[in-house]
Amino acid sequence: EVQLVESGGGLVQPGGSLRLSCAATGFPFSSYQMNWVRQAPGKGLEWVSYISSSGTSIYYADSLQGRFTISRDNAKNSLYLQMNSLRAEDTALYYCARQWNYQNPLDYWGHGTLVTVSS
Amino acid sequence: QSVLTQPPSVSAAPGQKVTISCSGSSSNIGNNYVSWYQHLPGTAPKVLIYDNNKRPSGIPDRFSGSKSGTSATLGITGLQTGDEADYFCGTWDYSLSAVVFGGGTKVTVL
Repeated sequence: EVQLVESGGGLVQPGGSLRLSCAATGFPFSSYQMNWVRQAPGKGLEWVSYISSSGTSIYYADSLQGRFTISRDNAKNSLYLQMNSLRAEDTALYYCARQWNYQNPLDYWGHGTLVTVSS
Repeated sequence: QSVLTQPPSVSAAPGQKVTISCSGSSSNIGNNYVSWYQHLPGTAPKVLIYDNNKRPSGIPDRFSGSKSGTSATLGITGLQTGDEADYFCGTWDYSLSAVVFGGGTKVTVL
């Protein structure tokens, strides 16, 4: 059974940092592209970042302005999102989602980890 | 402001049909496959439609998808109370090098 389990969310002050993790099981993790998607309270889904199966191709939403870094460790079947200089508008539920390639759907999602940026 | 445009809400009585539109451009819908997702609060989003009109196994044929030019449509027939959820369209945008979503449409069963 495919499972994606996010962790690492929490309450952080503006300007702070957090590192999110996503543990993948039940499928060949190293064969899949991965994404982070977030949903702010009362808002729709917002794509955050994409990383190819090998980690050589990476894309980010323009709105992040270079504050986030996506990475993966295929040996550990894990995906990461390093978030720096956090702002109130980064408050959201963060999901990891897998994708066969960029033309395919995000076919499995985790249940998300909540990030709250507040003083 | 989402790259793809959806109506904020649609509603219909049980057993009726609703359609949800998703409008984009040549850099996204016009040259790529569209997927549709169902999202219930507190749960993981689920793929209903992929490659414009294909259903994953387990998705009933009450759900259908179509695409024409730079727009796509999700149809739900035989509406049930369990269909009350938010529905998002999504695709890849070549100009942005990004996954793009619609703003979401809330389906209400009257």
